[in-house]
Amino acid sequence: QAVLTQPSSLSASPGASASLTCTLRSGINVDTYRIYWYQQKPGSPPHYLLRYKSDSDKQQGSGVPSRFSGSKDASANAGILLISGLQSEDEADYYCMIWHSSAWVFGGGTKLTV
Amino acid sequence: QLQLQESGPGLVKPSETLSLTCTVSGGSISSSSYYWGWIRQPPGKGLEWIGTIYYSGNTYYNPSLKSRVTISADTSRNQFSLKLSSGTAADTAVYYCARHPALEAAGTGYYYGMDVWGQGTTVTVSS
Repeated sequence: QAVLTQPSSLSASPGASASLTCTLRSGINVDTYRIYWYQQKPGSPPHYLLRYKSDSDKQQGSGVPSRFSGSKDASANAGILLISGLQSEDEADYYCMIWHSSAWVFGGGTKLTV
Repeated sequence: QLQLQESGPGLVKPSETLSLTCTVSGGSISSSSYYWGWIRQPPGKGLEWIGTIYYSGNTYYNPSLKSRVTISADTSRNQFSLKLSSGTAADTAVYYCARHPALEAAGTGYYYGMDVWGQGTTVTVSS
Protein backbone atom coordinates (compact mmCIF):
# COMPACT_ATOMS: atom_id res chain seq x y z
CA GLN A 1 0.00 0.00 0.00
CA ALA A 2 1.37 3.40 -0.95
CA VAL A 3 2.35 5.83 1.81
CA LEU A 4 0.17 8.59 0.28
CA THR A 5 -2.93 7.97 -1.83
CA GLN A 6 -4.62 10.63 -3.93
CA PRO A 7 -7.65 10.23 -6.20
CA SER A 8 -6.42 10.13 -9.78
CA SER A 9 -8.92 12.70 -10.97
CA LEU A 10 -11.48 15.22 -9.79
CA SER A 11 -13.82 17.45 -11.72
CA ALA A 12 -15.50 20.62 -10.47
CA SER A 13 -17.25 23.63 -11.93
CA PRO A 14 -15.92 27.18 -12.16
CA GLY A 15 -16.77 29.17 -9.05
CA ALA A 16 -17.28 26.04 -6.97
CA SER A 17 -14.96 24.60 -4.35
CA ALA A 18 -12.80 21.51 -4.72
CA SER A 19 -11.50 19.38 -1.89
CA LEU A 20 -8.45 17.32 -2.81
CA THR A 21 -7.56 14.54 -0.42
CA CYS A 22 -4.26 12.92 0.44
CA THR A 23 -4.80 9.79 2.52
CA LEU A 24 -1.99 8.44 4.63
CA ARG A 25 -1.40 4.72 4.84
CA SER A 26 -2.89 2.95 7.81
CA GLY A 27 -0.52 3.13 10.75
CA ILE A 28 0.82 6.56 9.76
CA ASN A 29 -0.95 9.20 11.81
CA VAL A 30 -1.75 12.35 9.84
CA ASP A 31 -1.62 14.42 13.02
CA THR A 32 2.17 14.14 13.22
CA TYR A 33 2.97 15.20 9.67
CA ARG A 34 3.41 18.43 7.79
CA ILE A 35 1.62 17.96 4.49
CA TYR A 36 2.87 19.87 1.48
CA TRP A 37 0.86 20.65 -1.64
CA TYR A 38 2.14 21.36 -5.14
CA GLN A 39 0.41 22.39 -8.35
CA GLN A 40 1.81 21.32 -11.70
CA LYS A 41 0.61 22.44 -15.09
CA PRO A 42 1.63 20.65 -18.31
CA GLY A 43 5.21 21.37 -19.32
CA SER A 44 5.94 23.29 -16.12
CA PRO A 45 7.69 22.41 -12.87
CA PRO A 46 5.70 21.87 -9.69
CA HIS A 47 4.72 25.07 -7.92
CA TYR A 48 4.68 25.17 -4.12
CA LEU A 49 1.22 26.04 -2.79
CA LEU A 50 1.36 25.54 0.96
CA ARG A 51 2.22 23.32 3.86
CA TYR A 52 -0.12 22.40 6.70
CA LYS A 53 0.37 20.59 9.97
CA SER A 54 -2.00 22.49 12.20
CA ASP A 55 -3.53 25.95 12.39
CA SER A 56 -0.45 27.03 14.33
CA ASP A 57 2.02 25.34 12.00
CA LYS A 58 1.24 26.21 8.44
CA GLN A 59 2.62 28.32 5.60
CA GLN A 60 1.19 29.73 2.42
CA GLY A 61 3.52 29.75 -0.56
CA SER A 62 4.74 33.09 -1.80
CA GLY A 63 2.07 34.74 -3.91
CA VAL A 64 -0.40 31.88 -3.51
CA PRO A 65 -3.97 33.16 -3.22
CA SER A 66 -5.84 32.61 0.02
CA ARG A 67 -8.47 30.60 -1.83
CA PHE A 68 -5.96 27.74 -1.57
CA SER A 69 -5.97 26.39 1.97
CA GLY A 70 -4.90 23.30 3.84
CA SER A 71 -6.50 21.23 6.54
CA LYS A 72 -6.72 17.70 7.89
CA ASP A 73 -9.44 15.13 8.40
CA ALA A 74 -8.24 13.05 11.30
CA SER A 75 -11.13 10.62 10.98
CA ALA A 76 -10.05 9.83 7.43
CA ASN A 77 -6.33 10.10 8.25
CA ALA A 78 -6.02 12.54 5.37
CA GLY A 79 -4.67 15.91 4.43
CA ILE A 80 -6.93 18.19 2.43
CA LEU A 81 -6.26 20.93 -0.07
CA LEU A 82 -9.32 23.13 -0.44
CA ILE A 83 -9.57 25.35 -3.48
CA SER A 84 -12.44 27.81 -3.34
CA GLY A 85 -13.80 29.95 -6.15
CA LEU A 86 -12.39 27.62 -8.80
CA GLN A 87 -11.00 29.25 -11.90
CA SER A 88 -10.11 27.69 -15.22
CA GLU A 89 -6.44 28.37 -14.47
CA ASP A 90 -6.66 25.99 -11.49
CA GLU A 91 -6.89 23.07 -13.89
CA ALA A 92 -3.68 21.14 -13.16
CA ASP A 93 -2.17 18.16 -11.40
CA TYR A 94 -1.89 18.45 -7.62
CA TYR A 95 0.60 16.50 -5.54
CA CYS A 96 0.86 16.07 -1.79
CA MET A 97 4.10 15.25 0.02
CA ILE A 98 5.35 14.33 3.48
CA TRP A 99 8.63 13.50 5.15
CA HIS A 100 8.42 9.83 6.10
CA SER A 101 11.05 7.21 6.96
CA SER A 102 13.95 9.50 6.08
CA ALA A 103 12.58 10.42 2.68
CA TRP A 104 10.33 12.96 1.03
CA VAL A 105 7.39 10.96 -0.29
CA PHE A 106 4.91 12.18 -2.89
CA GLY A 107 1.39 11.08 -3.54
CA GLY A 108 0.50 9.91 -7.04
CA GLY A 109 -1.23 13.18 -7.88
CA THR A 110 -4.78 14.29 -8.66
CA LYS A 111 -5.71 15.72 -12.03
CA LEU A 112 -8.19 18.53 -11.39
CA THR A 113 -10.48 19.44 -14.27
CA VAL A 114 -12.35 22.73 -14.04
CA GLN B 1 14.64 36.76 -7.52
CA LEU B 2 15.95 33.26 -6.94
CA GLN B 3 16.36 31.13 -10.05
CA LEU B 4 17.56 27.57 -10.43
CA GLN B 5 18.69 26.17 -13.78
CA GLU B 6 19.43 22.52 -14.49
CA SER B 7 21.97 21.55 -17.13
CA GLY B 8 23.62 18.43 -18.45
CA PRO B 9 23.49 15.80 -21.20
CA GLY B 10 20.03 14.98 -22.46
CA LEU B 11 21.03 11.48 -23.51
CA VAL B 12 22.89 8.91 -21.44
CA LYS B 13 23.75 5.37 -22.46
CA PRO B 14 22.59 2.46 -20.31
CA SER B 15 25.02 1.53 -17.52
CA GLU B 16 26.65 4.97 -17.71
CA THR B 17 26.47 7.74 -15.11
CA LEU B 18 23.92 10.52 -15.40
CA SER B 19 25.44 13.87 -14.42
CA LEU B 20 23.52 17.10 -13.92
CA THR B 21 24.30 20.52 -12.49
CA CYS B 22 21.99 23.09 -10.94
CA THR B 23 23.15 26.70 -11.16
CA VAL B 24 21.60 29.04 -8.61
CA SER B 25 21.22 32.76 -9.28
CA GLY B 26 19.70 35.48 -7.16
CA GLY B 27 20.79 33.73 -3.98
CA SER B 28 23.68 31.82 -2.45
CA ILE B 29 23.81 28.09 -1.86
CA SER B 30 26.13 28.95 1.05
CA SER B 31 23.24 30.48 2.95
CA SER B 32 22.62 28.77 6.28
CA SER B 33 18.89 29.19 5.65
CA TYR B 34 18.56 26.69 2.81
CA TYR B 35 19.20 23.17 1.61
CA TRP B 36 19.24 22.16 -2.05
CA GLY B 37 17.63 19.13 -3.61
CA TRP B 38 17.01 16.99 -6.69
CA ILE B 39 13.67 15.50 -7.73
CA ARG B 40 12.71 13.60 -10.87
CA GLN B 41 9.55 12.81 -12.81
CA PRO B 42 9.38 9.97 -15.37
CA PRO B 43 7.27 10.71 -18.45
CA GLY B 44 3.59 10.77 -17.55
CA LYS B 45 4.27 9.77 -13.96
CA GLY B 46 4.59 11.28 -10.51
CA LEU B 47 7.41 12.89 -8.57
CA GLU B 48 10.30 11.15 -6.82
CA TRP B 49 12.74 12.80 -4.42
CA ILE B 50 16.35 11.86 -5.15
CA GLY B 51 18.33 13.67 -2.49
CA THR B 52 19.27 16.94 -0.80
CA ILE B 53 22.48 18.69 0.20
CA TYR B 54 23.54 21.41 2.63
CA TYR B 55 26.34 23.67 1.39
CA SER B 56 28.74 22.24 3.98
CA GLY B 57 28.44 18.89 2.27
CA ASN B 58 25.90 17.10 4.46
CA THR B 59 23.76 14.94 2.20
CA TYR B 60 20.42 13.18 2.54
CA TYR B 61 19.46 10.56 -0.01
CA ASN B 62 16.33 8.61 -0.89
CA PRO B 63 16.99 5.14 0.54
CA SER B 64 15.68 3.60 -2.69
CA LEU B 65 18.39 5.35 -4.74
CA LYS B 66 21.12 5.82 -2.17
CA SER B 67 23.50 3.21 -3.58
CA ARG B 68 23.67 5.00 -6.94
CA VAL B 69 23.40 8.69 -6.00
CA THR B 70 26.02 11.30 -5.23
CA ILE B 71 25.13 14.95 -4.68
CA SER B 72 27.84 17.55 -4.26
CA ALA B 73 28.07 21.33 -3.94
CA ASP B 74 30.50 23.85 -5.44
CA THR B 75 30.06 27.04 -3.45
CA SER B 76 32.61 28.94 -5.57
CA ARG B 77 30.37 28.46 -8.61
CA ASN B 78 27.10 28.59 -6.66
CA GLN B 79 26.16 25.20 -8.08
CA PHE B 80 25.23 21.78 -6.85
CA SER B 81 25.37 18.57 -8.83
CA LEU B 82 23.80 15.15 -9.16
CA LYS B 83 25.45 11.93 -10.26
CA LEU B 84 23.34 8.81 -10.75
CA SER B 85 25.35 5.75 -11.66
CA SER B 86 24.44 2.61 -13.59
CA GLY B 87 21.71 4.28 -15.59
CA THR B 88 18.79 2.28 -16.96
CA ALA B 89 15.70 3.16 -18.96
CA ALA B 90 13.88 3.56 -15.65
CA ASP B 91 16.02 6.64 -14.97
CA THR B 92 14.55 8.41 -18.00
CA ALA B 93 12.81 11.45 -16.53
CA VAL B 94 12.62 15.19 -16.17
CA TYR B 95 15.08 16.12 -13.43
CA TYR B 96 14.39 19.14 -11.25
CA CYS B 97 16.54 20.96 -8.76
CA ALA B 98 14.88 22.80 -5.91
CA ARG B 99 15.40 24.77 -2.71
CA HIS B 100 14.45 23.64 0.78
CA PRO B 101 14.18 26.21 3.58
CA ALA B 102 16.03 25.17 6.70
CA LEU B 103 13.88 24.36 9.71
CA GLU B 104 16.85 25.06 11.91
CA ALA B 105 20.03 26.88 10.91
CA ALA B 106 23.59 25.58 10.97
CA GLY B 107 22.98 22.41 9.00
CA THR B 108 21.33 20.34 11.69
CA GLY B 109 19.59 18.28 9.05
CA TYR B 110 16.12 19.59 9.71
CA TYR B 111 14.58 21.27 6.71
CA TYR B 112 11.25 21.90 5.07
CA GLY B 113 9.99 20.64 1.74
CA MET B 114 10.83 22.27 -1.59
CA ASP B 115 9.58 25.80 -2.12
CA VAL B 116 11.33 26.95 -5.30
CA TRP B 117 11.95 24.71 -8.31
CA GLY B 118 13.98 24.91 -11.48
CA GLN B 119 12.38 24.46 -14.87
CA GLY B 120 13.68 20.92 -15.21
CA THR B 121 15.78 19.11 -17.77
CA THR B 122 14.90 15.96 -19.66
CA VAL B 123 17.29 13.04 -19.50
CA THR B 124 16.81 9.95 -21.63
CA VAL B 125 18.72 6.76 -20.93
CA SER B 126 19.00 4.87 -24.20
CA SER B 127 21.58 3.35 -26.47
